Amino acid sequence: DTAVSQTPKYLVTQMGNDKSIKCEQNLGHDTMYWYKQDSKKFLKIMFSYNNKELIINETVPNRFSPKSPDKAHLNLHINSLELGDSAVYFCASSQVLGSGSTEAFFGQGTRLTVV
Amino acid sequence: RKEVEQDPGPFNVPEGATVAFNCTYSNSASQSFFWYRQDCRKEPKLLMSVYSSGNEDGRFTAQLNRASQYISLLIRDSKLSDSATYLCVVNHNFNKFYFGSGTKLNVKP
Repeated sequence: DTAVSQTPKYLVTQMGNDKSIKCEQNLGHDTMYWYKQDSKKFLKIMFSYNNKELIINETVPNRFSPKSPDKAHLNLHINSLELGDSAVYFCASSQVLGSGSTEAFFGQGTRLTVV
Repeated sequence: RKEVEQDPGPFNVPEGATVAFNCTYSNSASQSFFWYRQDCRKEPKLLMSVYSSGNEDGRFTAQLNRASQYISLLIRDSKLSDSATYLCVVNHNFNKFYFGSGTKLNVKP
């Protein structure tokens, strides 16, 4: 059973297109994230949702719009794709605890290439 | 200043060697600490959580020094399969994980 699953695994698209990446977790966690890993391998948080509510938006261009229909799903829609959006996008989830958080569990990543 | 800083390496070590990685974090209010491992073209996976008292899991030992805002990972008796990138991760505000840029380890036969 995959704990955090995201689709698609690979996405190749032309500049200017709009695309979506879907993410689902079956861990019962209350918090979900989107991270971007660039060519230098640095993982940077983009968004965090807690119980379907947006908690963190880390100065991401508004071409990126997350949507959380329920706490098990967090999708990412990207408008007007640019070359610089090429990266690996990871979905993750965790559970808030009284004294901090569980570890974050990651999906397998979506490798986005904009041509 | 970055939230979490790590030496990017690479660390090239022979099998059987002991290797240590360090990282520092900037936010003294951080609550949870982890080491993750990331293999090439794969997702990060938890290696171990890091507790104030220090903790050990087989060949791996993690230490946390809150006063110095410093986390370490020690790998004893390195195996070829330990070759990967090791990510230092810090959590604060309950739902924000900050990742270091990772330290690459190459274990050679």
